[in-house]
Amino acid sequence: GENVEQHPSTLSVQEGDSAVIKCTYSDSASNYFPWYKQELGKGPQLIIDIRSNVGEKKDQRIAVTLNKTAKHFSLHITETQPEDSAVYFCAASGFGNEKLTFGTGTRLTIIP
Amino acid sequence: DTEVTQTPKHLVMGMTNKKSLKCEQHMGHRAMYWYKQKAKKPPELMFVYSYEKLSINESVPSRFSPECPNSSLLNLHLHALQPEDSALYLCASSLIEGSETQYFGPGTRLLVL
Repeated sequence: GENVEQHPSTLSVQEGDSAVIKCTYSDSASNYFPWYKQELGKGPQLIIDIRSNVGEKKDQRIAVTLNKTAKHFSLHITETQPEDSAVYFCAASGFGNEKLTFGTGTRLTIIP
Repeated sequence: DTEVTQTPKHLVMGMTNKKSLKCEQHMGHRAMYWYKQKAKKPPELMFVYSYEKLSINESVPSRFSPECPNSSLLNLHLHALQPEDSALYLCASSLIEGSETQYFGPGTRLLVL
């Protein structure tokens, strides 16, 4: 089955700087890669996703890049703000794989 | 509207109790999911319902019993739980099963005493 690795497990960034979280996946059939943000005591919230026919996608301060050949994808957050502090999960799924396989999570802390 | 609602928000139960968790969505989604999440871990899939039929059971103990009364509702019936079952239980839904966007509810924080 699919295996998703996520790094780093913790990340501290000065407010205003950029943060990058990286994930690798094992199943070349995976074609859908969402990113979720989970704040304390809340459910995961979808912040951005990308499909395998696209290399990059942006939404304001958030961007995701996908390298199908290397089987890795990354989340980029620019101009970080205190409200970006949360746990971020990457995930992967695809044809023949109904399940969403999650990475292990990254705890992002924005230092004011 | 991409809202999935879950009730109750918190639940404390003894090992001999029977309780139920409820999940609701009105997005017209035909796939609904139950996940279990322990502290500092990613969500773990428990069950998937597709078009109101159980599609996936991830070898979950029978003390957890899912039910999908209609396309908008998903229940999780709990009976004779163990303290290690204490966790955040998350419901999610997607348009159809497969590589589709899943929207999560806020979860039910369950404590088994």
